[in-house]
Amino acid sequence: GNSVTQMEGPVTLSEEAFLTINCTYTATGYPSLFWYVQYPGEGLQLLLKATKADDKGSNKGFEATYRKETTSFHLEKGSVQVSDSAVYFCALNTGFQKLVFGTGTRLLVSP
Amino acid sequence: GAVVSQHPSWVICKSGTSVKIECRSLDFQATTMFWYRQFPKQSLMLMATSNEGSKATYEQGVEKDKFLINHASLTLSTLTVTSAHPEDSSFYICSAARDGDSTEAFFGQGTRLTVV
Repeated sequence: GNSVTQMEGPVTLSEEAFLTINCTYTATGYPSLFWYVQYPGEGLQLLLKATKADDKGSNKGFEATYRKETTSFHLEKGSVQVSDSAVYFCALNTGFQKLVFGTGTRLLVSP
Repeated sequence: GAVVSQHPSWVICKSGTSVKIECRSLDFQATTMFWYRQFPKQSLMLMATSNEGSKATYEQGVEKDKFLINHASLTLSTLTVTSAHPEDSSFYICSAARDGDSTEAFFGQGTRLTVV
């Protein structure tokens, strides 16, 4: 079956620190991969995506590369800000618009 | 852009009553929409797939008689929580994708349901 595994949080960082949130997946076929962000009290917003192997998704300083050989899609940012504090969800889509989510990783950034 | 609007954003209801949540795609058509439920500090779990003009497809363990889904048009799906109980309190989120584009789903802002 399809599944997504994310590192457990919370991840606590100081402002301007480097961020990595690990995500690995198991899937049949060739899924598209996504990172969604959920700010407190809000719904999900798409952060970035990659639709095929070796694609790099990027947005707002965040990056993730679709690694088929390691079945990974780790999220990185070189310098986090307090405003990046949120819950980050890794997800996969096998092509039928139905998403399978990881458990989410809470990021807390302090000044 | 692709905007999905969910209404209401929050609702409080009494036990035993029913609550309807709407999910609208504002600027695109969506034959298929999805309903998710998010428990506190947990991930989103798919409840059902809503299909325009036909019956919804429910995930295993989801009571179809309790969570009624109606997809009456290409831009509107509704989820009705019937005879709500406190354990139904949760965050419900819908998503939709443009017809013909299966690579990205757009999410509504979610509905926080509290049953008292």
